[in-house]
Amino acid sequence: NAGVTQTPKFQVLKTGQSMTLQCAQDMNHEYMSWYRQDPGMGLRLIHYSVGAGITDQGEVPNGYNVSRSTTEDFPLRLLSAAPSQTSVYFCASSYSGSGLSTDTQYFGPGTRLTVL
Amino acid sequence: LAKTTQPISMDSYEGQEVNITCSHNNIATNDYITWYQQFPSQGPRFIIQGYKTKVTNEVASLFIPADRKSSTLSLPRVSLSDTAVYYCLGGPSYSGAGSYQLTFGKGTKLSVIP
Repeated sequence: NAGVTQTPKFQVLKTGQSMTLQCAQDMNHEYMSWYRQDPGMGLRLIHYSVGAGITDQGEVPNGYNVSRSTTEDFPLRLLSAAPSQTSVYFCASSYSGSGLSTDTQYFGPGTRLTVL
Repeated sequence: LAKTTQPISMDSYEGQEVNITCSHNNIATNDYITWYQQFPSQGPRFIIQGYKTKVTNEVASLFIPADRKSSTLSLPRVSLSDTAVYYCLGGPSYSGAGSYQLTFGKGTKLSVIP
C-alpha cells in the first residue's frame, strides 16, 4: 500500500490564482480530512468527509472547497489564493466513517504552499 | 466536544525520561485516548493508544488514571531523534447528520538537548 499520497510537495502561487491539492489513499478508508499547519498554531481542520459524497466544514473552511466523488480521492481546491493561505497542508484518512476513537489517522507527507 | 489541554513545550536532556500530561476532563465514556508524534516536515504518526491503566509499546508508555480525566505519555531515555511535537486526542466531536471531526490542537513541542 502507498498509504496516503499528496501532490504536489511544493507549490508557489500568486494572489488570485487557483489550484487543487490532490490527496489519495489506497486503504479503502471512509474518513478523510484536510488540515493546515502554521507556525505555533498546531493542526487546524479545514474540511472533512465521512464517506464518498459527504463533506463537511472544519475549523477554518473559508477560502477552500472540497468534494468526495470516490472513496480514494479527496481534493482540496483554492479558488482564489491569498497570502493568508500560505501554509503546510496535510491530508489524513482513517478506516471508519462512523467516528470510532480507536481509528488510527494516517497522514500524507504534506504540501508546502506559498502564496505571493 | 472532547477538548484536550497539554503543555505547549518541554525541554529534556538526552537519556532522561520525559512525561507529557494531557487533560481531557469531558472525555466520552467509550472514547480511547490516542497520542501522535510529528517530526519536522512530516505528517503526524500514531504512537500509542489506551483506554485506562497502562499501555506500553516499543516507543512509549501511556498511563491513564481511573477517572480518565488525564493521561500521561512517557518516553523512556529520550534521544535527539525524539525531538518532535506530540498530540493528545480524546475522541471525535460529533456534529449533525452522523458526521464527526477530529481536532488535534497545538500539541506539545518536545526539544531534546544533547
